[in-house]
Order: sequence, then C-alpha cells, then structure tokens
Amino acid sequence: DAGITQSPRYKITETGRQVTLMCHQTWSHSYMFWYRQDLGHGLRLIYYSAAADITDKGEVPDGYVVSRSKTENFPLTLESATRSQTSVYFCASSELFEQYFGPGTRLTVT
Amino acid sequence: AQSVTQLGSHVSVSEGALVLLRCNYSSSVPPYLFWYVQYPNQGLQLLLKYTSAATLVKGINGFEAEFKKSETSFHLTKPSAHMSDAAEYFCAVSEEISGTYKYIFGTGTRLKVLA
Repeated sequence: DAGITQSPRYKITETGRQVTLMCHQTWSHSYMFWYRQDLGHGLRLIYYSAAADITDKGEVPDGYVVSRSKTENFPLTLESATRSQTSVYFCASSELFEQYFGPGTRLTVT
Repeated sequence: AQSVTQLGSHVSVSEGALVLLRCNYSSSVPPYLFWYVQYPNQGLQLLLKYTSAATLVKGINGFEAEFKKSETSFHLTKPSAHMSDAAEYFCAVSEEISGTYKYIFGTGTRLKVLA
C-alpha cells in the first residue's frame, strides 16, 4: 500500500527495556520526522532526517535513537524505556513544506 | 523561532452552528500555515494549507481558513457544524531551518458538536 505506515500500532513495555518503533514510507520522500504527542503539549519533534544517513535532533531527543540506512525507513529506538516516554508516537514524511503523517504508535511503559 | 497559539483547548458548538477555531502565529516573514484534523486513534489528516497564494483557503469537509497578516492569524471556520466534525484540530506553521522545513504545532483544540 502506498503511504506511510507505522508498526506496531500498540506496544506495552517495561521500564528499562529497549523498544523500536518502525516507520516506512513508499513515496521516496527525502525528509522524515518523529513526533510524540502528549496531552497539553501538542506534537513535539524528537528527531528528523533530511536523507539516508543524515539525522538531527529535534525538540525532545533525550532517550531516543534513530537511524536511516534506507530512504523509506526511519526507525525510532528507546534504548532504556522510562515511564515518561509513555506517549503516542507519530512518524511523518515530506518532500518540501507539507508533511504526511502515519497512523501512530501508542506506547505504554509500565 | 516561530510559535503557534491555539486559543481554547476545548470548543463546543451545536450541530448546524458556526465553527470557529482560532490560531495565531508569530513570524517575521510570511509562513506556510496548516490545519490538521485528528480523529480518535488516528493520525493527523491535512485539512487545508496556506502557501502564500490566496488568503482565503478552502479545505476538505467544508472547512476554510483566512490568512490575515496584520493579525498574524489563521483561524479555521465552517459555516455549519456536523456531528462528524467532532475531533481534535491542530494548527501548524512550517519554518525553514538549515534547509529543512520543520513544523511548529499548536497544542490543539478539541471540538465537541452537540446534538
């Protein structure tokens, strides 16, 4: 299917565990983004990537790691999950100024 | 850096009434502006966008927004609310930083439509 997909859609993990959220887009967009959505904060940028092998920090990068070995994939890893990372995570892609969003991953850290 | 302010985290309207969701931005140059809608357990869907063409922008589902530079506003309106409009709405501004267009989001307005 064309578009942007995220997996898993729902994830429950324990404090201290490593977890990876996947993002895949079929448009070959250059730019990809990871956001987290929390009540009262809207969406906050975690990391972004301008192309394969080029990534940079956003507003709230601490505790997260990203990689982009292929243009279409942009995984987000929580190296040691904490309860404060319980959130809904959205991936987005863009070629210019308009972003397209995935359906989100709801992550709960217990 | 730019910022986006959405006035009112919750707005309630009666079915058939006017919908007005407010968005103000701070920018020294004309920005790109967007409204997104988010239904429960879904991602963000683009409603409409302003990219320095016509100041009155029409979007999907009967929504429109007007860019007013003098007021630094980009309010979202719909003449007649429908039950299916109940959702959360986000205003966003796109800013170019180091060659990358980044979004700055407002904190969202949850629209409730009363029967």
